[in-house]
Amino acid sequence: SQKIEQNSEALNIQEGKTATLTCNYTNYSPAYLQWYRQDPGRGPVFLLLIRENEKEKRKERLKVTFDTTLKQSLFHITASQPADSATYLCAAGQNGNEKLTFGTGTRLTIIP
Amino acid sequence: SAVISQKPSRDICQRGTSLTIQCQVDSQVTMMFWYRQQPGQSLTLIATANQGSEATYESGFVIDKFPISRPNLTFSTLTVSNMSPEDSSIYLCSARGRGQRGEKLFFGSGTQLSVL
Repeated sequence: SQKIEQNSEALNIQEGKTATLTCNYTNYSPAYLQWYRQDPGRGPVFLLLIRENEKEKRKERLKVTFDTTLKQSLFHITASQPADSATYLCAAGQNGNEKLTFGTGTRLTIIP
Repeated sequence: SAVISQKPSRDICQRGTSLTIQCQVDSQVTMMFWYRQQPGQSLTLIATANQGSEATYESGFVIDKFPISRPNLTFSTLTVSNMSPEDSSIYLCSARGRGQRGEKLFFGSGTQLSVL
């Protein structure tokens, strides 16, 4: 069955460093991957979308890559800040199919 | 971006009772969905709420347990029926926008349900 795995359940990073989160997919060829941020007691908030024909996407301090050979997406936060502490969710989707498949998320803590 | 209002934000319920969760979107959206999020687990899609017709349920979820309504484009309800402690979870309403916003999901803040 389709599987989206986020390797780290929790990740602690020193403030100012780059945080890198991993999302792997199996039995699946998504047309696009999305990343969401979820704070405690809140619903997920969309951050970035990257399509299968795109290698990299950037938005301010965020960068996402999509490697269809490795079946992997990497999500980077550069110059990390304590306010970046949250759970980050990876989700995969297909064109023409409205549903998204979500990973379990990585809880990121930026240590001052 | 679409703003989704979901209520109640939390509730504590007795076994055997039912709870209806409401979801209101501030703009027209194409699709509305209901997810469940259990501690340490990913978001699991319960069903797609279809306007004016029966919802489309995912494997493992049935209408008798989770009846869903969507009377118009911007409003939907999810009822958790005959609750048991196993139904304790966060329930999330979500929606897809129109046009360029169509691929990303907007989420409500969720309903934290505890069943005693």
